[in-house]
Amino acid sequence: DTEVTQTPKHLVMGMTNKKSLKCEQHMGHRAMYWYKQKAKKPPELMFVYSYEKLSINESVPSRFSPECPNSSLLNLHLHALQPEDSALYLCASSQGLAAYEQYFGPGTRLTVT
Amino acid sequence: QQPVQSPQAVILREGEDAVINCSSSKALYSVHWYRQKHGEAPVFLMILLKGGEQKGHDKISASFNEKKQQSSLYLTASQLSYSGTYFCGTERGNKLVFGAGTILRVKS
Repeated sequence: DTEVTQTPKHLVMGMTNKKSLKCEQHMGHRAMYWYKQKAKKPPELMFVYSYEKLSINESVPSRFSPECPNSSLLNLHLHALQPEDSALYLCASSQGLAAYEQYFGPGTRLTVT
Repeated sequence: QQPVQSPQAVILREGEDAVINCSSSKALYSVHWYRQKHGEAPVFLMILLKGGEQKGHDKISASFNEKKQQSSLYLTASQLSYSGTYFCGTERGNKLVFGAGTILRVKS
């Protein structure tokens, strides 16, 4: 199974809402990632977890809060987002950091109204 | 620092060849190549490691010139299924930094 799953596929939320994005993989990968992708731009790294510990935070605003409950799951909690946070949020996993291929999930299309 | 890709876009007819380049101003330890089709997630194509050989699968291959700090992706006898945006990624610490992407469109 080389699949990374993400839910929901689409999410519309107001600026005062709290919501969560979920990501799951069953490949035994020890590194998991959150990326943000705007239209016609490359994926932009937000967070990296390695062995369930936060390894990299790319100076992401605190309205985004990641969580890794176990080695297979990765969440991204959203609170008080801004319209400019509207984007495709991609989750990825890899066997290790950096020099390993990353498997991407299909993404969550987020719209902040 | 983001690697630089060229060209920004290329249009081909089926059966034609294309080359996509990726260069960096900093030393490269590995170069990753991904393809993203419209509305889909990026899909891994290959990794080239420092000191490694040219890689390839099917009619897509790539080279890595460590001294010139650049990599090239070669698409031979392109098919309609090759259409998409190609991203190179370079290692920076424990993370991957992607180039801006090259849009490839193959026409019949």
